Amino acid sequence: KAGVTQTPRYLIKTRGQQVTLSCSPISGHRSVSWYQQTPGQGLQFLFEYFSETQRNKGNFPGRFSGRQFSNSRSEMNVSTLELGDSALYLCASSLQPRYYNEQFFGPGTRLTVL
Amino acid sequence: QQQVKQSPQSLIVQKGGISIINCAYENTAFDYFPWYQQFPGKGPALLIAIRPDVSEKKEGRFTISFNKSAKQFSLHIMDSQPGDSATYFCAAYSGNTPLVFGKGTRLSVIA
Repeated sequence: KAGVTQTPRYLIKTRGQQVTLSCSPISGHRSVSWYQQTPGQGLQFLFEYFSETQRNKGNFPGRFSGRQFSNSRSEMNVSTLELGDSALYLCASSLQPRYYNEQFFGPGTRLTVL
Repeated sequence: QQQVKQSPQSLIVQKGGISIINCAYENTAFDYFPWYQQFPGKGPALLIAIRPDVSEKKEGRFTISFNKSAKQFSLHIMDSQPGDSATYFCAAYSGNTPLVFGKGTRLSVIA
């Protein structure tokens, strides 16, 4: 069974631009969560989707948004990029929301904002 | 507000030694405490987890010790190997919150 895939793996953008990251969950998994990982703040929860509905949102500005499609694939979007948005963005999938003992992470998308 | 504090930030251990990573939490509603292992270029992977109704859980060389009264839990890696070199994250969760992570410990096991 294929794992969680994230595309692209690396991305370089400039301040003010916007970016869209994609996540394909493990087949059969309907819950997708997004996390931001930085050296200073560690791993921080962004949002969680299940059945195309956002179930939870972390403490991030409105520039961060996401969505989930009927096939459970998810995208997250960051608008008006800032230097501080440089991070590894991780996606994780599970069968149900908060099934953390069976939640699997993708390899992440490394975003660099110049 | 950091709800889970992890220490140390980095750790160097001799091969065969014991690696110990500590975490402290504030929210007494937390009822699930997992540890994750992350290798460079990879996402975190669940290593071992514990619920507060037990004080210790062991899986192979990995043990979680849990102290509910002190609101602390720790990961012990026995007989540490170079292949254990990775970043380790503790986390905590309750039914009302998403996973909250510690800031991570970079472990280096040297021969």
